[in-house]
Amino acid sequence: NAGVTQTPKFQVLKTGQSMTLQCAQDMNHEYMSWYRQDPGMGLRLIHYSVGAGITDQGEVPNGYNVSRSTTEDFPLRLLSAAPSQTSVYFCASSYVPTVPYEQYFGPGTRLTVT
Amino acid sequence: DAKTTQPTSMDCAEGRAANLPCNHSTISGNEYVYWYRQIHSQGPQYIIHGLKNNETNEMASLIITEDRKSSTLILPHATLRDTAVYYCIAPGTDSNYQLIWGAGTKLIIKP
Repeated sequence: NAGVTQTPKFQVLKTGQSMTLQCAQDMNHEYMSWYRQDPGMGLRLIHYSVGAGITDQGEVPNGYNVSRSTTEDFPLRLLSAAPSQTSVYFCASSYVPTVPYEQYFGPGTRLTVT
Repeated sequence: DAKTTQPTSMDCAEGRAANLPCNHSTISGNEYVYWYRQIHSQGPQYIIHGLKNNETNEMASLIITEDRKSSTLILPHATLRDTAVYYCIAPGTDSNYQLIWGAGTKLIIKP
């Protein structure tokens, strides 16, 4: 199993540009989530999904959209990038849809917005 | 805001037990406490979780006080590879799906 994969690993955007961060998992996990991590801080939940077709907002959803058309994929879209969105983005998945006990994390995408 | 508080940093000698404390006095009776760690800038790694009883797995032990206001993660024989930031986290007020992460404890294992 590849686990949780994220692409790209690094990305530089100009203010106002849009892009999609890709996340995929091959473990048939129902629960998937997106976090951002700013320097010296813990992770903050952006959006999550408990199954295909179901998404919900986390702690910091503004400026981001998600969709979940398949169990495997959970892309994160930045609609109009801002310097405040410079961060490391992690995608995670879990096999327990009721309570996300053990989340498996991807390697992260390092995004810089200039 | 995070519902857990942890020391900013700790040191431990290699081969000794590392005991990482966490205060979570505001969690409710049905909310789990989770521990993850993050080595350098990698994605976090799950360690263990618990509700009321003490828990043990191949990585660590989790001791939860009877009043559930605090817990301690124990790495029984710390190695240099255990140097990482350790996060004690709990669900947010809205949902068990929304885990609230604090800044964690930077654990440095010294030879």
